[in-house]
Formats: sequence, structure tokens, C-alpha cells
Amino acid sequence: EIVLTQSPATLSLSPGERATLSCRASQSVSNYLAWYQQKPGQVPRLLIYDTPNRATGTPARFSGSGSGTDFTLTISSLEPEDFAIYYCQQRSKWPWTFGQGTKVEIK
Amino acid sequence: EVQLVESGGGLVKPGGSLRLSCAASGFIFSSYSMNWVRQAPGRGLEWVSCISTRSEHLYYRDSDRDRFTISRDDARNSLYLQMNSLRDDDTAIYYCARAPGGGFGVADLWGQGTLVTVSS
Repeated sequence: EIVLTQSPATLSLSPGERATLSCRASQSVSNYLAWYQQKPGQVPRLLIYDTPNRATGTPARFSGSGSGTDFTLTISSLEPEDFAIYYCQQRSKWPWTFGQGTKVEIK
Repeated sequence: EVQLVESGGGLVKPGGSLRLSCAASGFIFSSYSMNWVRQAPGRGLEWVSCISTRSEHLYYRDSDRDRFTISRDDARNSLYLQMNSLRDDDTAIYYCARAPGGGFGVADLWGQGTLVTVSS
């Protein structure tokens, strides 16, 4: 199965700062990469799908980029509600797999 | 309201069985592929199974293929997961999730989840 490795494990930033999250795949997933946000006690929320496409309701400060094996989720200016865990996920090859998550915490 | 509501979780002994259900409302259920995704306590996410529209395609992890059965009843707007021969490592919150646009492998709507605990 395709392994997704996210880095860093934890990102400590202040509101207003730029966040850059990385996701690396063990083999090419083309552009079939999604990002989800999960807050404590809540269900995951789809943010980005097929690399750059924002899901309905995703603010413009979230952007996705990359292709093949290396992908990035960028949050241009962190809002208080953005502090959460972010998971990348590939749908290139079954079983679809998630990364282990990056926690974005308040510095 | 567009929503998914899971039920059927609980405490079961190793080797036991459970049937999870997911009731969909607020959208045309038959037009969407549906999924089960699980999350072990304090852990990450794992895609368990997927069923296409009209049940034409079913997807299972290799480790679950002989134990789990996904099904749907479009007349009842419901999704199911029959789980047999349960193991300790099946303990998790099981989420029902919708794939948008009739596609596969993305989940744009999630239920609140139902907790499955496998323990003697």
C-alpha cells in the first residue's frame, strides 16, 4: 500500500503566520491527493481534493500544491480556528491511505 | 438537513460480530459512492471499505476481505458494514462517509461515528 509521510509532526505557529505542511508519498499518486482538517472531538473535514481543488466552504487561505510524490498544504495566514490536525490522503491506488497527521498548534 | 447518522457500535468480545448502519438524509443517496473509515482512539485515520453506486464495485482491505461485508439499501437510504471475527485492533470509531460527485476515494460528508470496542 502507498505510505504517506507527513512533516513536521507538530508545527508551532502564531495566528497570522504562514503554515506550510508537507506530505510525501512512497510512490506516485499523480494529483490524487486530498487534505482533511480534524479538531479535537470533531469529525474530519475535507479541505482540498485532487491537489489544488478547494472543497465547498474551504476558505481561500488554504491552498494545495504538488504532484507525483511531494505535496504541500499552505495556510497563508493562520486564523484561531485553524489550529487542528491535518491529514493528507491519496486515492490513486486502493487501499486509499492517510498520512499520520500534522498538528498545528498555537505557539 | 444533509447528514449521516451511524449506529450499531458497542462492546464485543474477540471473535464476535457487529453490524454497523448509517442512515443518510438530505441528499440523493443512490447517486453517491459510500465509505467506512475508522479511527482508533488517539490514532490516525484508516479507510476500511467502499461501495459504488448500484453496488457495482466493492473495496476491502486485504486484512478485512474475509471478515467485513459492505452493503447498501438505496430504498432505505442506508449503508451497512457487517463485521465478523472481530479482533482487538478493530477497536475504533467507525465513520460513514460520502464520496462527492459519484466518484471514489474522497469523503466530503462524514457522520459523527459509532464506537466499536473489541475486548474480552
